Amino acid sequence: EEQLVESGGGLVQPGGSLRLSCAASGFTFNWFAMHWVRQAPGKGLESVAVITTNGGSTYYASSVRGRFNISRDNSKNTLYLQMGSLKAEDMAVYYCARAANHHILDIWGQGTMVTVSS
Amino acid sequence: ELVLTQSPGTLSLSPGERATLSCRASLSIASNFLAWFQQKPGQAPRLLISAASSRATGIPDRFSGSGSGTDFTLTINRLEPEDFAVYYCQQYGYSPYAFGQGTKLEIK
Repeated sequence: EEQLVESGGGLVQPGGSLRLSCAASGFTFNWFAMHWVRQAPGKGLESVAVITTNGGSTYYASSVRGRFNISRDNSKNTLYLQMGSLKAEDMAVYYCARAANHHILDIWGQGTMVTVSS
Repeated sequence: ELVLTQSPGTLSLSPGERATLSCRASLSIASNFLAWFQQKPGQAPRLLISAASSRATGIPDRFSGSGSGTDFTLTINRLEPEDFAVYYCQQYGYSPYAFGQGTKLEIK
């Protein structure tokens, strides 16, 4: 079964850091670009970051550029999101998603909650 | 930057009726790279439609997508109880890969 499982969410103080992980299984991880998408409580979906198959290219939403870093370890079938200088507005459920042809997000993880509060 | 606007914000219908959801783009979407997702409370989004009109694997044929350029529509025929959820459109032609704000389909 093709599956993505996020981990690493939790409570962090404003200005703090957190690293999210997304473990992939059931498919050839290094064939696919990967996305992080977030959803603030009661709000819609927001594309956060994208990484190509070999990690050579990345994209960030303007709201997180310079504070977040997306990376991947294809030998471990794992995607990461390093988050720094966290703000209250970063509080959300963070989903990783597989990008099929032309960035169609066809497989999603269950999400991991990030709470930013003092 | 391309912006997607979905309408209506909330749609109240009864099981068995037809739902028509709209997604309008501020710029023409290249190659009709437009997807639709369904999200139920506490769950991750699920891909329904890609390339404006191509159903994803396992999606019932009561779901259909249409449109091109800047105007797209998701139609759900003969609504089932499990179809009541929030629906998002997303363009994936170029970054940023924007989502619409969502349409909530609720039981009347």
